[in-house]
Amino acid sequence: KAGVTQTPRYLIKTRGQQVTLSCSPISGHRSVSWYQQTPGQGLQFLFEYFSETQRNKGNFPGRFSGRQFSNSRSEMNVSTLELGDSALYLCASSLVVDNSPLHFGNGTRLTVT
Amino acid sequence: AQSVTQLDSQVPVFEEAPVELRCNYSSSVSVYLFWYVQYPNQGLQLLLKYLSGSTLVKSINGFEAEFNKSQTSFHLRKPSVHISDTAEYFCAVTRSGYSTLTFGKGTMLLVSP
Repeated sequence: KAGVTQTPRYLIKTRGQQVTLSCSPISGHRSVSWYQQTPGQGLQFLFEYFSETQRNKGNFPGRFSGRQFSNSRSEMNVSTLELGDSALYLCASSLVVDNSPLHFGNGTRLTVT
Repeated sequence: AQSVTQLDSQVPVFEEAPVELRCNYSSSVSVYLFWYVQYPNQGLQLLLKYLSGSTLVKSINGFEAEFNKSQTSFHLRKPSVHISDTAEYFCAVTRSGYSTLTFGKGTMLLVSP
């Protein structure tokens, strides 16, 4: 069974631009979560989607948004990029929402210059 | 809210020596605990989890962790490490009924010959 697939693996953007990251969950997984990983802040929760509905949201500004499609694939968007948005963005999927272990993709490395 | 403390940012150890990576958590409600491992340029892989039942949980590659409610700890141990165990290890907690993880800052395990 294929794992969680994130595209692209690497991105370089300029301040002020916007970016869209994509995540395909493991087949049959309906819950998708997004995390930001930086050396300073570590792993921080962005948001979680289940059946196309946002179930939970972390403490990030409104520039960070996401959505989930009917096939459970998810995208996250960051508008008006700032230097501090440079990070590894990790997507994770799970079978059901409650207590199922998260399975992570290899992430998208975003560099903002 | 939950929080996780991993006291050691780096743990250097020689091959075939035992190792313990410490994890303490804080929560006012019942929790579930996880250890994830991250190899360079990869996402997080689930190492082991405690949901309920036996407080000692084991992974297939020789790691084990013990849930200690009174000490609010979930330390990770391995009796004999290999070079290939070199990676960053993250302890994570979630509350019952949720899947959103709160991560510790991570511990880099450095195994040398």
